[in-house]
Amino acid sequence: QQPVQSPQAVILREGEDAVINCSSSKALYSVHWYRQKHGEAPVFLMILLKGGEQKGHEKISASFNEKKQQSSLYLTASQLSYSGTYFCGTRYSGTYKYIFGTGTRLKVLA
Amino acid sequence: IAGITQAPTSQILAAGRRMTLRCTQDMRHNAMYWYRQDLGLGLRLIHYSNTAGTTGKGEVPDGYSVSRANTDDFPLTLASAVPSQTSVYFCASKRHLSTEAFFGQGTRLTVV
Repeated sequence: QQPVQSPQAVILREGEDAVINCSSSKALYSVHWYRQKHGEAPVFLMILLKGGEQKGHEKISASFNEKKQQSSLYLTASQLSYSGTYFCGTRYSGTYKYIFGTGTRLKVLA
Repeated sequence: IAGITQAPTSQILAAGRRMTLRCTQDMRHNAMYWYRQDLGLGLRLIHYSNTAGTTGKGEVPDGYSVSRANTDDFPLTLASAVPSQTSVYFCASKRHLSTEAFFGQGTRLTVV
């Protein structure tokens, strides 16, 4: 079953911060984060391989808590270009399937 | 070809017809995947292949089949299309199991 993301949707003003969560009922091997613009394919943002490790990309960072089977994506000082749908992608331990979370739609307003 | 390419980009198909969606990558990636994306349901895995010659079922495999005769190509076949298969289909590839996925531009399929 797909990891569950929260919130499902969020609207921000430019400069505001947001957190997107990706939670799983199964042990996660690794977590990737993607952003998809309307009408386009998803694009890779970052990878998290170890529990508790944080990675950064511009003003976007993420964490991965193996114990809680959860990853969070942090967007700080949001820009208009951050608008899109965010997905976590993961492979459960012991399987070759690569699946995506339920998605979070984010819209940044001027 | 640069990256991963899907064809066609869009198609209107009569119900009951057979259709093959093509996916080709030139990155020599081992793993390839097919997803469908429906509004409100995100990306759902249809079939996957870890390496040439092997395939596996994803979360929503019914009505679809795949083959992986070589590293570069991973076609998806709808044997007898039904309206519920109307969706946007994405092909993706990964170098290894732990690396990120690269996506094709998608195929918008409408079954009428």
